[in-house]
Amino acid sequence: KAGVTQTPRYLIKTRGQQVTLSCSPISGHRSVSWYQQTPGQGLQFLFEYFSETQRNKGNFPGRFSGRQFSNSRSEMNVSTLELGDSALYLCATTPGTSPFQETQYFGPGTRLLVL
Amino acid sequence: QKEVEQNSGPLSVPEGAIASLNCTYSDRGSQSFFWYRQYSGKSPELIMSIYSNGDKEDGRFTAQLNKASQYVSLLIRDSQPSDSATYLCAVSPNRDDKIIFGKGTRLHILP
Repeated sequence: KAGVTQTPRYLIKTRGQQVTLSCSPISGHRSVSWYQQTPGQGLQFLFEYFSETQRNKGNFPGRFSGRQFSNSRSEMNVSTLELGDSALYLCATTPGTSPFQETQYFGPGTRLLVL
Repeated sequence: QKEVEQNSGPLSVPEGAIASLNCTYSDRGSQSFFWYRQYSGKSPELIMSIYSNGDKEDGRFTAQLNKASQYVSLLIRDSQPSDSATYLCAVSPNRDDKIIFGKGTRLHILP
């Protein structure tokens, strides 16, 4: 069974631009969670999607948004990029009934650098 | 603000010894506890989950939970150089609430 895939793996953007990241879950997994990882703040929860609906949201500004498609693939978008958005963005997927009790399978991440 | 605290390390342990990693959490009502391992440049992978007070063993790994003290630990017996990684403690306050991760402890096993 194929693992979680994320594209692109690396991105370089400049301040003010926007970016879209993609996550394809393991087949049969319907819950997709997004995390931001930085050396200073560690791994922080952004949001979680299930059946095309956002079920949980972390404490990030509205510049961070996401969506999920009918095939469970998910995208996250960051608008008006700031230098502090430079980070590793990870998605994690689970079958979905209780995503925070189940084993979360992480993708390889997208490393975003904002200049 | 719900918090999960870990010593950032690095924690250096001789090969073959027991590595002990500790984590405290602030939300007394937390129900689910996880340990993830993250190698440098890689994504986290689950090592153990624990839900009840006491010990849970899986091979060389033992997770210990003490809800009264709001404390969860991970013991690694017979430490190997391949255990060198960052270990993330994660806590879920309840069934449907998001997981909160600690910032991780860097473990270095000395050959």
